[in-house]
Amino acid sequence: SQELEQSPQSLIVQEGKNLTINCTSSKTLYGLYWYKQKYGEGLIFLMMLQKGGEEKSHEKITAKLDEKKQQSSLHITASQPSHAGIYLCGADRTSNAGGTSYGKLTFGQGTILTVHP
Amino acid sequence: DAGVTQSPTHLIKTRGQQVTLRCSPKSGHDTVSWYQQALGQGPQFIFQYYEEEERQRGNFPDRFSGHQFPNYSSELNVNALLLGDSALYLCASSLLGKPNTEAFFGQGTRLTVV
Repeated sequence: SQELEQSPQSLIVQEGKNLTINCTSSKTLYGLYWYKQKYGEGLIFLMMLQKGGEEKSHEKITAKLDEKKQQSSLHITASQPSHAGIYLCGADRTSNAGGTSYGKLTFGQGTILTVHP
Repeated sequence: DAGVTQSPTHLIKTRGQQVTLRCSPKSGHDTVSWYQQALGQGPQFIFQYYEEEERQRGNFPDRFSGHQFPNYSSELNVNALLLGDSALYLCASSLLGKPNTEAFFGQGTRLTVV
């Protein structure tokens, strides 16, 4: 089984709707990254979470790391066609509770988001 | 500030050939990691270079090798190419061992093996 499970695997929404993507880990998360990817292109960094209960926002995207640090969610408010793409969560399995990162990321399988105008 | 740059963007090779991919990290970063992303999958960690040495390695055969230069740029070499090596190869740069560091990715090199 995957170390990081993302759900749903794909999501189709109407423009203006809110949506949530989940990332569940089988191990404690000390460094959790969210990236967005357009098909066949590189990964665009969205946010990094390290502390249990931490929440970060950028424009209409909010990411949270739960208190037990084994699940993260990405929430998009009032979705737009520009939000369409593949969302990937990545865990730095080599980081520690002190927040030091060693840059070896394990990724979920991705969530494909389609936003219809 | 230039981000992570990779070259070439696309490449077509024949089975059995060898290929070299290149990556220049983001300014100020000292660590380069390489990932392979097959179609429909998340990226898989290949290896990481820091101070011109391989520091960590994923579950990839020895056909995959790399190098890091004094200016922190890096190369990924794949020998004896197989059809299954067709993928998007991504390079990521970061600062090793620093709290709250972020990993930034390049646009990738699309390798097709025929």
